[in-house]
Amino acid sequence: DAGVIQSPRHEVTEMGQEVTLRCKPISGHNSLFWYRQTMMRGLELLIYFNNNVPIDDSGMPEDRFSAKMPNASFSTLKIQPSEPRDSAVYFCASSPPGLSNQPQHFGDGTRLSIL
Amino acid sequence: QKEVEQNSGPLSVPEGAIASLNCTYSDRGSQSFFWYRQYSGKSPELIMFIYSNGDKEDGRFTAQLNKASQYVSLLIRDSQPSDSATYLCAVPGDMRFGAGTRLTVKP
Repeated sequence: DAGVIQSPRHEVTEMGQEVTLRCKPISGHNSLFWYRQTMMRGLELLIYFNNNVPIDDSGMPEDRFSAKMPNASFSTLKIQPSEPRDSAVYFCASSPPGLSNQPQHFGDGTRLSIL
Repeated sequence: QKEVEQNSGPLSVPEGAIASLNCTYSDRGSQSFFWYRQYSGKSPELIMFIYSNGDKEDGRFTAQLNKASQYVSLLIRDSQPSDSATYLCAVPGDMRFGAGTRLTVKP
């Protein structure tokens, strides 16, 4: 079975540029999560969707970050304009129905470097 | 918001020893916990979950939940170098993770 698919795997860009990260959740999963991981801050929840609707975006650091889920099989996380401090590994995860007791399945992540 | 705290370590044990990883939580209503393992450069993967008070064993891994004391632990028996990774605990439904404990098993 296909897992969570993220693209690109690596992204290197200059500050000020727009960055778009993509995620395809596991088919049948109705919750989708975006995380950011750094050495200093660990794994931080940015936003999560349930049935394509954003439920909690309190972890989105600032207005430069936005996330969308136009349908059940696709989500994007956009940073505009990007800054060097946004450099991190961004993970997308999904989980099946029954959120309170279901584990999350993670994609391989996007390693983002902002120069 | 439920708070989950872990000793970030690092923790180093010799091969064959028991590694003990701990996690405390603030919400007395939390009923279950997940343990994830993350190898360097990889994504977290679920290795254990525990829903009830007491112990749950799976091979060399034992998860222990103590609701009265509000902690959950993961014991790894006969530790192997391949167990070297960061271990994260999480409360289902809250989607937030502890800081993780980095474990190194030395041959």
